[in-house]
Amino acid sequence: AQSVSQHNHHVILSEAASLELGCNYSYGGTVNLFWYVQYPGQHLQLLLKYFSGDPLVKGIKGFEAEFIKSKFSFNLRKPSVQWSDTAEYFCAALALDSNYQLIWGAGTKLIIKP
Amino acid sequence: DAGVTQSPTHLIKTRGQQVTLRCSPISGHKSVSWYQQVLGQGPQFIFQYYEKEERGRGNFPDRFSARQFPNYSSELNVNALLLGDSALYLCASSQTGTGVSGNTIYFGEGSWLTVV
Repeated sequence: AQSVSQHNHHVILSEAASLELGCNYSYGGTVNLFWYVQYPGQHLQLLLKYFSGDPLVKGIKGFEAEFIKSKFSFNLRKPSVQWSDTAEYFCAALALDSNYQLIWGAGTKLIIKP
Repeated sequence: DAGVTQSPTHLIKTRGQQVTLRCSPISGHKSVSWYQQVLGQGPQFIFQYYEKEERGRGNFPDRFSARQFPNYSSELNVNALLLGDSALYLCASSQTGTGVSGNTIYFGEGSWLTVV
């Protein structure tokens, strides 16, 4: 069965620290990959997406992610986090021959200490 | 342009009751999907509709049903509510069916359902 794994359930960092959140998916075919963010009390927002082409994708708010096909990974990065990045981050995958469903990771709660 | 809109935003129901949740997609979007997000977990896929037809169904019991109207809005119905149905129900819209590469999916703010 298809699945998405996020390595860390909780991450605590200080402001200006660098961030990397891991995401691995299990599917051998073509996938579209997404990172969504959910700020406290708000709805899910798209941070960035990978469909094809350049494996390094840049998203909003200084986030980027790298698709490494050989490792089935799509890790999210940001060189210097801010307090306002405190949120929950979800990785999701869409297998293109699936029954049209996004498969989600369990989420990573990120807390940035001011 | 308005984003994905859902109603109601919060509701409380009693076990055994029925609930209907509503979703209006972004203008021009023809696909609507429903997800259930239980506290502390990622969303779980319930249904996807495209052009008023069910295109995908997740692993949910038959108590869950949905439909899409000619204007592409959608309703999710849950019958015989159980305590475990308490969750955030998310609606997502996209221009085409999500099986198409390059199709971005946008989410509404969700409907918080509490079953007591």
